[in-house]
Amino acid sequence: DAKTTQPTSMDCAEGRAANLPCNHSTISGNEYVYWYRQIHSQGPQYIIHGLKNNETNEMASLIITEDRKSSTLILPHATLRDTAVYYCIVRSWGGSNYKLTFGKGTLLTVNP
Amino acid sequence: EAQVTQNPRYLITVTGKKLTVTCSQNMNHEYMSWYRQDPGLGLRQIYYSMNVEVTDKGDVPEGYKVSRKEKRNFPLILESPSPNQTSLYFCASSTTSGRDTQYFGPGTRLTVL
Repeated sequence: DAKTTQPTSMDCAEGRAANLPCNHSTISGNEYVYWYRQIHSQGPQYIIHGLKNNETNEMASLIITEDRKSSTLILPHATLRDTAVYYCIVRSWGGSNYKLTFGKGTLLTVNP
Repeated sequence: EAQVTQNPRYLITVTGKKLTVTCSQNMNHEYMSWYRQDPGLGLRQIYYSMNVEVTDKGDVPEGYKVSRKEKRNFPLILESPSPNQTSLYFCASSTTSGRDTQYFGPGTRLTVL
């Protein structure tokens, strides 16, 4: 699976959009970009994933650049409950092990 | 409600005393997996199972055993726990088709003295 690079930490004001970047310059054609988050030692929570098109669900939007070498997770109206470590994970679909390789992630702190 | 449950949530034990951490999911998922999380090392996979009676080692299997006799359950067994197994443990599950989003349990914090 391709390696990802994320900023160590970011701050965001409550009610504003949080834009979390991820670099995955070595991504291959069959690899998807997944985002998970972990709120203070709770189990990681799936947020969204995509291949090459932008995706949106009830939690967030995922913008993937045309060359697929980077992506941005957007939380449109961040709340205090969105304070968490956000992980960008690149992996291929299927295979014999669905292991998720978590890096260090980005600690997003939403401030009142 | 779709969920992955783990028990116990917290456990303090002593070196060498066998223990089992249970994991159960109610989503009829084929795939289940165990991770451990340690400061500075992130989450690392211990064992995984693609279906009943099918298990395989992850990245850090030493000192652990698993079994998958039923689809919903995937217990993690520490035959002779040691202090280096003090960690936060997570169980996860997913289907093996479609989006294969993984659902994680709430975690088990284990301390081995």
